[in-house]
Amino acid sequence: EAQVTQNPRYLITVTGKKLTVTCSQNMNHEYMSWYRQDPGLGLRQIYYSMNVEVTDKGDVPEGYKVSRKEKRNFPLILESPSPNQTSLYFCASSPLGLAVRHTQYFGPGTRLTVL
Amino acid sequence: AQTVTQSQPEMSVQEAETVTLSCTYDTSENNYYLFWYKQPPSRQMILVIRQEAYKQQNATENRFSVNFQKAAKSFSLKISDSQLGDTAMYFCAFADGGTSYGKLTFGQGTILTVHP
Repeated sequence: EAQVTQNPRYLITVTGKKLTVTCSQNMNHEYMSWYRQDPGLGLRQIYYSMNVEVTDKGDVPEGYKVSRKEKRNFPLILESPSPNQTSLYFCASSPLGLAVRHTQYFGPGTRLTVL
Repeated sequence: AQTVTQSQPEMSVQEAETVTLSCTYDTSENNYYLFWYKQPPSRQMILVIRQEAYKQQNATENRFSVNFQKAAKSFSLKISDSQLGDTAMYFCAFADGGTSYGKLTFGQGTILTVHP
């Protein structure tokens, strides 16, 4: 089954404790992206990757890191989480980016709470 | 920086009626794509419709259509024959050619409730 998986789905942590949210897709997609969703703000893009070893900042990259060492995985790293990073996070992938007539597949979301 | 604005936080409509959701955007780019995404209570994001800026013809997908006014930078979504399953949050989004269509900017979202 074609899908984007995220782990963990729920996480409660404390300020300053490094964490990684994994994202994996099994569709051989070149494009992957991370978003956060907050009430009243919609979704905001954190980072995106057009292909392996190519990553770019979205609208809210501060406090986050990503890497794209292989096509299927695109982990989101919070080196020193803070309470303002409490949010719902989505990973997504697409065959060739957003201009091609392909839908963007979203993962199920990761609910992160930073105390 | 590109911005996308959805000025209607909530909308409601009776089943089988038509509803229009508004979206405006601001950009200096000439090449871009616009999207409407649906997020039902399950939280899954679903692409509803997309519009290429270079196309004058408005996109349609079954009961969903858009009114794309490039000069006014307006991109509204019309849902005809509304169904209970259309109840969801709807997001307008913009991808600009300046970033090779990699960067995606969303609006704040509109919660649509379809009443029986």
